[in-house]
Amino acid sequence: GQNIDQPTEMTATEGAIVQINCTYQTSGFNGLFWYQQHAGEAPTFLSYNVLDGLEEKGRFSSFLSRSKGYSYLLLKELQMKDSASYLCAVRDRDTDKLIFGTGTRLQVFP
Amino acid sequence: KAGVTQTPRYLIKTRGQQVTLSCSPISGHRSVSWYQQTPGQGLQFLFEYFSETQRNKGNFPGRFSGRQFSNSRSEMNVSTLELGDSALYLCASSLIAGEGNEQFFGPGTRLTVL
Repeated sequence: GQNIDQPTEMTATEGAIVQINCTYQTSGFNGLFWYQQHAGEAPTFLSYNVLDGLEEKGRFSSFLSRSKGYSYLLLKELQMKDSASYLCAVRDRDTDKLIFGTGTRLQVFP
Repeated sequence: KAGVTQTPRYLIKTRGQQVTLSCSPISGHRSVSWYQQTPGQGLQFLFEYFSETQRNKGNFPGRFSGRQFSNSRSEMNVSTLELGDSALYLCASSLIAGEGNEQFFGPGTRLTVL
């Protein structure tokens, strides 16, 4: 079957670091995406991992372990504007569909 | 470069009616995907079009259909609307289909079925 799990909600403090985890089970794997979605807005692309390891992009980093079916998104030096939903999505190699998790709603407090 | 545009932005319909939503991808993008987003289910894949052909389809009933035109613009149609069809419908475009291609999302069409 196909399943993507992420925590429903997380809270953090401005300036802190937060890690949002994503575990997946798909019949095949061909890449993992992270998207950010502010309330009432469209999702925007954050990162893409297809090989194991860490991809760093400014304050955001994304990690992938294909053997564990696991990824995380790391947000450093949190800002109030980082309050949003973070969506994990996996490209299933067998069906070629992009499967989304239900998203993690992050609230950043001052 | 203009982003993905979707029309209309908001729509109110009653049960049994049908609706057509439109999506214009980023210039040069040939792949268009449609998603349904609801609070409980997250983003659910509807279908993907590439070069006027449906290349992939999600697990939705036949009431949901779509098409893509030669200019890559896409429409989706929902017939015999049900209350459960109330959702945000998002369209996303990418240069080509599949693999690691980044999808750019439009602002969505908020459909309310009464």
